[in-house]
Amino acid sequence: GAVVSQHPSWVICKSGTSVKIECRSLDFQATTMFWYRQFPKQSLMLMATSNEGSKATYEQGVEKDKFLINHASLTLSTLTVTSAHPEDSSFYICSARDPRHPNTEAFFGQGTRLTVV
Amino acid sequence: GENVEQHPSTLSVQEGDSAVIKCTYSDSASNYFPWYKQELGKGPQLIIDIRSNVGEKKDQRIAVTLNKTAKHFSLHITETQPEDSAVYFCAASNSGAQKLVFGQGTRLTINP
Repeated sequence: GAVVSQHPSWVICKSGTSVKIECRSLDFQATTMFWYRQFPKQSLMLMATSNEGSKATYEQGVEKDKFLINHASLTLSTLTVTSAHPEDSSFYICSARDPRHPNTEAFFGQGTRLTVV
Repeated sequence: GENVEQHPSTLSVQEGDSAVIKCTYSDSASNYFPWYKQELGKGPQLIIDIRSNVGEKKDQRIAVTLNKTAKHFSLHITETQPEDSAVYFCAASNSGAQKLVFGQGTRLTINP
């Protein structure tokens, strides 16, 4: 079945630096991908919708200048956390749906554990 | 926008017993309701889903029911096993927006 792959699975960075997380759809082309953030023992909160070839749509309260999203190809979306701070430490997860079957299963990546020290 | 409420937040059952998790949603336009299982440090994995044109769906020990009028849906796990222990999330979406809105999650513990 369709697979979404996320890289890296974990990363530790120093406060003030930037970190890039990649999300790839492996066997389908995804015009839309979704980025979620999950704090410990909490639910998944949608951060933004990544649209291939156009600007991402951010959810209310998410800083677009801090969480840069680029969806330059039909199989890759990237999330860059700029000037990371300890409060940005979280589990970041992407998802995508196969556009050939729009109202079906959303496939999730394995997640990226970001720790800012 | 859509709001999904999930209960209970924690659930502990004896191995072999049944577990039920309930969710309510607010947007009548929602028409797709998946359930995900998440193990520690991993992304969510779909275990079952239901669409608004169906009232019930079953897959071996797992079943989901949907009441569109009341805007609630439930996950039923029968003959629970220790490997069922995980966090379960319900979600809702509509075919237009595609994005999923998640419930708060239920930590299910199966006691041997």
